[in-house]
Amino acid sequence: DAGVIQSPRHEVTEMGQEVTLRCKPISGHNSLFWYRQTMMRGLELLIYFNNNVPIDDSGMPEDRFSAKMPNASFSTLKIQPSEPRDSAVYFCASSFLTILRQGRDYEQYFGPGTRLTVT
Amino acid sequence: KQEVTQIPAALSVPEGENLVLNCSFTDSAIYNLQWFRQDPGKGLTSLLLIQSSQREQTSGRLNASLDKSSGRSTLYIAASQPGDSATYLCAVRPQGAQKLVFGQGTRLTINP
Repeated sequence: DAGVIQSPRHEVTEMGQEVTLRCKPISGHNSLFWYRQTMMRGLELLIYFNNNVPIDDSGMPEDRFSAKMPNASFSTLKIQPSEPRDSAVYFCASSFLTILRQGRDYEQYFGPGTRLTVT
Repeated sequence: KQEVTQIPAALSVPEGENLVLNCSFTDSAIYNLQWFRQDPGKGLTSLLLIQSSQREQTSGRLNASLDKSSGRSTLYIAASQPGDSATYLCAVRPQGAQKLVFGQGTRLTINP
């Protein structure tokens, strides 16, 4: 398996521009997570999906951020308009969760991340 | 609110030494605890996962322990090698949640 795939790997944009980050989870996984990593705050969960449905978006910083998962093999995280404080590494992770396994052997697999710089 | 703390923030040791990384969490109501490794500019690689009912897990030169009641976990690395240099992150999965709560990590440097 290719693992979790993210694109682009690096993005440099100007303040005010729209940014779209993409993620392809591991085939067969039914949960997908978006995290953000900064020096100041470390790794923080932004939002996660189960079976393509957003479950918890309490970590999304503000209305400028939105995430979609139109199907089981693709998700996007959009920032519009972008600001310099959005500069960070954004990670996507996926996992497989069943009722029988809930809370056990639950492992998230992370993608390589997208390094976003907003100037 | 669950909080995870890792001490020290950075550690530098000579090659060959055994070492221990520490992780503490404030709420013992967890499903499991994971240790990850992150290399510069790369994603996270899962090293070990300990379920709440377990006390430890081992993989090669790595051994992770969990004391849920005291809110502590340690990652023991035996016979350290320069290739072990990376940032090590601890994360817990709170009960009733799917998300992971991460510590800030320990940046480990093994000197040849």
